[in-house]
Amino acid sequence: KNEVEQSPQNLTAQEGEFITINCSYSVGISALHWLQQHPGGGIVSLFMLSSGKKKHGRLIATINIQEKHSSLHITASHPRDSAVYICAVSPSYGGATNKLIFGTGTLLAVQP
Amino acid sequence: DVKVTQSSRYLVKRTGEKVFLECVQDMDHENMFWYRQDPGLGLRLIYFSYDVKMKEKGDIPEGYSVSREKKERFSLILESASTNQTSMYLCASSLEYTEAFFGQGTRLTVV
Repeated sequence: KNEVEQSPQNLTAQEGEFITINCSYSVGISALHWLQQHPGGGIVSLFMLSSGKKKHGRLIATINIQEKHSSLHITASHPRDSAVYICAVSPSYGGATNKLIFGTGTLLAVQP
Repeated sequence: DVKVTQSSRYLVKRTGEKVFLECVQDMDHENMFWYRQDPGLGLRLIYFSYDVKMKEKGDIPEGYSVSREKKERFSLILESASTNQTSMYLCASSLEYTEAFFGQGTRLTVV
């Protein structure tokens, strides 16, 4: 079983819809990361959080440490949001080296 | 703007060749990482370095080596390229306990 599980693996939405991507993990963590990867490869960090909730524009990330679960929400989705969204965790045992454990990603397609 | 730059976006190499993938960061980060990304498997750590000349194996180091002679540069070496090393390779850097910054990726094809 993977230490970081994401769902769904694939998601198709219509423009304007509210989108939720879920991430569950099985290890103790110091932080959880949400990353975005557009076609072509480059990965961008969207959020790093260790508790509660963070918001940036139309994106919201939440984490429940007790339940070992995080969600990424996209409000008023747009075709430019189409990308792979990756959940990753910084395990507590990794210390300061910041080695990440990654989920396999969620491929989001937002249709106009 | 912070930047992690990988030397090539696309590479095609022949089986048995020695291949060098270069990564440079301009943020004075201690930690640097090499990952490979394959469909259905996500990103897997090959090697990481937490200081100049310091390195540790990741989850899949077989067939790879690394070099970090200067803080800003971290090189991944495929000693003798094989077709099962065809993949997307991503470099990243970070400070302690902070977000990671990724390069644009190198898509390597070994024929």
